[in-house]
Amino acid sequence: ETGVTQTPRHLVMGMTNKKSLKCEQHLGHNAMYWYKQSAKKPLELMFVYNFKEQTENNSVPSRFSPECPNSSHLFLHLHTLQPEDSALYLCASSQESPEGKLFFGSGTQLSVL
Amino acid sequence: GNSVTQMEGPVTLSEEAFLTINCTYTATGYPSLFWYVQYPGEGLQLLLKATKADDKGSNKGFEATYRKETTSFHLEKGSVQVSDSAVYFCALSDYAGGSYIPTFGRGTSLIVHP
Repeated sequence: ETGVTQTPRHLVMGMTNKKSLKCEQHLGHNAMYWYKQSAKKPLELMFVYNFKEQTENNSVPSRFSPECPNSSHLFLHLHTLQPEDSALYLCASSQESPEGKLFFGSGTQLSVL
Repeated sequence: GNSVTQMEGPVTLSEEAFLTINCTYTATGYPSLFWYVQYPGEGLQLLLKATKADDKGSNKGFEATYRKETTSFHLEKGSVQVSDSAVYFCALSDYAGGSYIPTFGRGTSLIVHP
């Protein structure tokens, strides 16, 4: 148990669906991250929020829309996804410090049909 | 930009063998260095870290030393167990644009046979 909880654990959706991934941390961290993990590819940083403000957006397609209503919650809204978006989506949090170590959730395994 | 290069896997060992997974990095600043481990069906967990040159991070029998002169952070363990089978990620964290941005290597799969 890392203190970062992601729901749902598994999600299957069609290309026309709209769904949301949720991440929650009660570690008192002020930075939260979304990563995409695909088979045979490096871990891809998608979004970074620091004190609820988005500080990084790594050229992610607009069909992925993040939301950070407070420093404990992070959402990833999904719409009109493509089959190549199937992957494990990992949320992480950290306390801003010179160490910058991350605490990860268990991820949401997403399949787009 | 920053980058992390790890040896490609899978690395396949017998139980009690010696493990080395190589990791080198490039960074514009003075980063902190990390090894994370991912067990099947789970997210990544921090294994060990080092924040300055010549620091040695250690945990659960694993060790890595921050070598600034060779920009390396190789992971070692003297005697691996079957339960060490997992994917290992080398990473650095550097301050940029108002946040600490982590950069990960591709991961190295370790398979330990009884």
